Amino acid sequence: AQKITQTQPGMFVQEKEAVTLDCTYDTSDQSYGLFWYKQPSSGEMIFLIYQGSYDEQNATEGRYSLNFQKARKSANLVISASQLGDSAMYFCAMRETIYNQGGKLIFGQGTELSVKP
Amino acid sequence: NAGVTQTPKFRVLKTGQSMTLLCAQDMNHEYMYWYRQDPGMGLRLIHYSVGEGTTAKGEVPDGYNVSRLKKQNFLLGLESAAPSQTSVYFCASGRGLATGELFFGEGSRLTVL
Repeated sequence: AQKITQTQPGMFVQEKEAVTLDCTYDTSDQSYGLFWYKQPSSGEMIFLIYQGSYDEQNATEGRYSLNFQKARKSANLVISASQLGDSAMYFCAMRETIYNQGGKLIFGQGTELSVKP
Repeated sequence: NAGVTQTPKFRVLKTGQSMTLLCAQDMNHEYMYWYRQDPGMGLRLIHYSVGEGTTAKGEVPDGYNVSRLKKQNFLLGLESAAPSQTSVYFCASGRGLATGELFFGEGSRLTVL
């Protein structure tokens, strides 16, 4: 069964510095997708970035990049030049795609990021 | 630009009462989902639907029922609420594409006393 693990319950980063949020996953499938979501204190879930298992390059979206290491089964989120507005809970999620399985996402436990001024 | 709308946003129930959470999406998505979020446990899938008239169980389906009578709506029911069902509930929808993200509602906070 697939599983997502985020081992950092909370992290602090200084404003304008870069931060890496860890995510490891477990799946027996060769085809899958990895997602990161942001949940600010207001509660909504905001999609940040996607990486497919067959994508050769790491995904990037503005200040967000995904450090994908397939052999190590890790999909870490890197936020460059942190801003105060980046303070939020961050969730890593995975979708197994080979049989689609209803398109559902399996989520990790989340990492709460606090950006210090 | 509504996207995914959940009602109600907040509800307090007594043990044994019943209620229904309504999710509506205006993006013509085939797939819809109900998750619950509890501290330290991330989001866990309760039930999902891959199209009008279909439903399937997720990771934590016990104590909940769902219906998808119309494509745009996905209802989550609690027949006899228990304190363990105190949680924040999120509805989500998607196109069913392997690469596509899910679009989430704003969440519904339910407290069972």
